[in-house]
Amino acid sequence: QQQVRQSPQSLTVWEGETAILNCSYEDSTFNYFPWYQQFPGEGPALLISIRSVSDKKEDGRFTIFFNKREKKLSLHITDSQPGDSATYFCAASASNNRIFFGDGTQLVVKP
Amino acid sequence: DTTVKQNPRYKLARVGKPVNLICSQTMNHDTMYWYQKKPNQAPKLLLFYYDKILNREADTFEKFQSSRPNNSFCSLYIGSAGLEYSAMYLCASSRGTGETGNTLYFGEGSRLIVV
Repeated sequence: QQQVRQSPQSLTVWEGETAILNCSYEDSTFNYFPWYQQFPGEGPALLISIRSVSDKKEDGRFTIFFNKREKKLSLHITDSQPGDSATYFCAASASNNRIFFGDGTQLVVKP
Repeated sequence: DTTVKQNPRYKLARVGKPVNLICSQTMNHDTMYWYQKKPNQAPKLLLFYYDKILNREADTFEKFQSSRPNNSFCSLYIGSAGLEYSAMYLCASSRGTGETGNTLYFGEGSRLIVV
């Protein structure tokens, strides 16, 4: 059973638009939700994260919205830039060092 | 320096032959992970070391071995490669203490192709 699900699988937006990436999870014990960004040829790198005690986390153009009741969260990228083109992984963990990833959303930002 | 290095970057292996992948980090991190990544799929946790303690996932328990001779190095060993092992293998490390919120630092991956 996949613990973390992401949608859409791929997303194309124009430069300057807001990209919205969705994520949902199964395990109610998950309490930490990082998003990782991966460029071709590189390993994933932490972009932004949120803990379950918060419902919003903002870092520049990147914002996570978190709905604990529905077990859903989303990553909003405002004023999208071509350099944001990458694969974004939603992940989740509880308190045992095990971190589970979603399938990823491949984002393309067209100039 | 937050670099995690993996070797080899590319590995071509024959069915039934062993494969050994190496990972190193110089951040003195407590925890080192191995993930398997196939196209359009989530990185799948295979196992992780917290200090000297190895934790293997139940569904891959018999397929992968690992060793951590010192804090900096961790290997992933496949005793007899099958076609289904073809994937990208990602190593990561974190300053894990059993609490959540620790950032994973990933290497660039080792691409394994089994023929």
